[in-house]
Amino acid sequence: GAVVSQHPSRVICKSGTSVKIECRSLDFQATTMFWYRQFPKQSLMLMATSNEGSKATYEQGVEKDKFLINHASLTLSTLTVTSAHPEDSSFYICSARRASARSYEQYFGPGTRLTVT
Amino acid sequence: GQSLEQPSEVTAVEGAIVQINCTYQTSGFYGLSWYQQHDGGAPTFLSYNALDGLEETGRFSSFLSRSDSYGYLLLQELQMKDSASYFCAPGAMDTGRRALTFGSGTRLQVQP
Repeated sequence: GAVVSQHPSRVICKSGTSVKIECRSLDFQATTMFWYRQFPKQSLMLMATSNEGSKATYEQGVEKDKFLINHASLTLSTLTVTSAHPEDSSFYICSARRASARSYEQYFGPGTRLTVT
Repeated sequence: GQSLEQPSEVTAVEGAIVQINCTYQTSGFYGLSWYQQHDGGAPTFLSYNALDGLEETGRFSSFLSRSDSYGYLLLQELQMKDSASYFCAPGAMDTGRRALTFGSGTRLQVQP
């Protein structure tokens, strides 16, 4: 199977601090990773696409200086929410796709629930 | 541009059959995926259609009509554990990213 982990699963932080979320593909190499956010009872909104070794591609309306994405290796991508505010509280989910996979084969991590107080 | 429509909620009883429709307008469309998500959990892949027609996987089937920009997910012999949100996700070729765009989701409630 293809397993993707995220850490932490839950995080509570104070307004103004930064939070780093890790996404790891445990048993395959992921050339592409996607970051989504999801508000309660809403859809997954793609934030950015990251390819190993290159800069992430951000969706329109997503602040690249606020949501820093690093895809430093074929098994790890990180999302750092900088200077977090209460409106950043959300469910952040990553997904990963291996190089040889068909395009629809994305494997999702379990998500990280961020609460900013 | 892109647009997606699917019903927001569907209720059915155990053992019944439910069809969740999805209409889309997607530039560079190449296929339609379906995902299931239980509350608080991650989406899991259910089915994919690249060509017109019906794909059957156990109790779940998915249909695509490219000419109508329409697809549906069919769930048979409903079980309580099928209560979840179901998302259609058209795939698009966009600067080579092949990203997925998720619909708003259909919340399925299965009742005894």
